[in-house]
Amino acid sequence: NAGVMQNPRHLVRRRGQEARLRCSPMKGHSHVYWYRQLPEEGLKFMVYLQKENIIDESGMPKERFSAEFPKEGPSILRIQQVVRGDSAAYFCASSPEGNGYTFGSGTRLTVV
Amino acid sequence: GENVEQHPSTLSVQEGDSAVIKCTYSDSASNYFPWYKQELGKRPQLIIDIRSNVGEKKDQRIAVTLNKTAKHFSLHITETQPEDSAVYFCAATYGTASKLTFGTGTRLQVTL
Repeated sequence: NAGVMQNPRHLVRRRGQEARLRCSPMKGHSHVYWYRQLPEEGLKFMVYLQKENIIDESGMPKERFSAEFPKEGPSILRIQQVVRGDSAAYFCASSPEGNGYTFGSGTRLTVV
Repeated sequence: GENVEQHPSTLSVQEGDSAVIKCTYSDSASNYFPWYKQELGKRPQLIIDIRSNVGEKKDQRIAVTLNKTAKHFSLHITETQPEDSAVYFCAATYGTASKLTFGTGTRLQVTL
């Protein structure tokens, strides 16, 4: 089992560009969660998805951010028109039915 | 929604001493409380968790206690070693497959 796979590990984008972050959950896990971690801060919940459904997006900014978890393929977190304040580590976690998150290694987004 | 407070924000102990990190939560419905360890530049890793039907759980040098009445839970690390140096996060959630709400983290430094 390869664990939760996130790519890319590092992503540099200029202001105004789009960032696409990918997450493949562990085999057998149908629940995916995205968290954002600013430097020297904790993990802030963004969105919780199951296959083809957004279950809870209460932590997602209202504009520029979107997430999906299609029937086939990885979950995608998309940030449009990135700004410097979007620079952070974005972690994906997956779980089977029930608790017990496993985190991926994260994508470190730098906006220049 | 759930709110988790964590103290202290930094903790320095000598090797061999014990370390205690405390968290409080606001939602009395919360019933699952994991602890994560995050080393610099790496993913959060689950080190121990406890459910609300249990008051204490121990795994070698690590233990967690839960006081449901006071809505407190604590992480205890005994015989600390330099490799215990990291940031530790507590978290809380209710039900199954729900989002975790994280505390703000404790930076533990174990000195020789």
